[in-house]
Amino acid sequence: SYVLTQPPSVSVAPGKTARITCGGNNIGSKSVHWYQQKPGQAPVLVIYYDSDRPSGIPERFSGSNSGNTATLTISRVEAGDEADYYCQVWDSSSDHPHWVFGGGTKLTVL
Amino acid sequence: QLQLQESGPGLVKPSETLSLTCTVSGGSISSSSYYWGWIRQPPGKGLEWIGSIYYSGSTYYNPSLKSRVTISVDTSKNQFSLKLSSVTAADTAVYYCARREVSIRGLTPPFDYWGQGTLVTVSS
Repeated sequence: SYVLTQPPSVSVAPGKTARITCGGNNIGSKSVHWYQQKPGQAPVLVIYYDSDRPSGIPERFSGSNSGNTATLTISRVEAGDEADYYCQVWDSSSDHPHWVFGGGTKLTVL
Repeated sequence: QLQLQESGPGLVKPSETLSLTCTVSGGSISSSSYYWGWIRQPPGKGLEWIGSIYYSGSTYYNPSLKSRVTISVDTSKNQFSLKLSSVTAADTAVYYCARREVSIRGLTPPFDYWGQGTLVTVSS
């Protein structure tokens, strides 16, 4: 079964850049989606197909994907960006294709 | 504006079957452009995809839950449902329903609309 590995936590000062990684075997060959989840709320899509932004998501959010690591980058971090972030891929490599989520990363704004 | 709303019992006894319904408003569940899915999140833990269904009734499930999961669709009510059998405390979670577009050119789109989630506790 395909596994996505995220760091449990990332801390960043306001105005700085946060990078949240998502590791997986040859993840660069897959499309990665990223969700933001604030306490008590449903996840919100912030990046899809590695680097596309849905309408309404600030340009400060960007993504990349290559080799064994996908990265969500949040520039000029604000207090309101504090949340859990999850990566997601579609694993079609087995007889039973299915969605896989990373374990999530808690972003703390210092 | 599309809205999804989960409903069902908030408390289920161990070994029984968990049943939830997702009601879709502001759009048709019978559209050929979308899949409808269930995702869960145990308290303090991460997201886990349970399964998805197409309006035609075609389903696919998480291999780890497949033996206990049934997802069905009722197009007349614009609803789809989840049944999870033989539940244990490990099935205690917030259950979300969500929508995604159908795959295009080999790309599998993300879930773009989510319900608010409903907490189901498994306890005697």
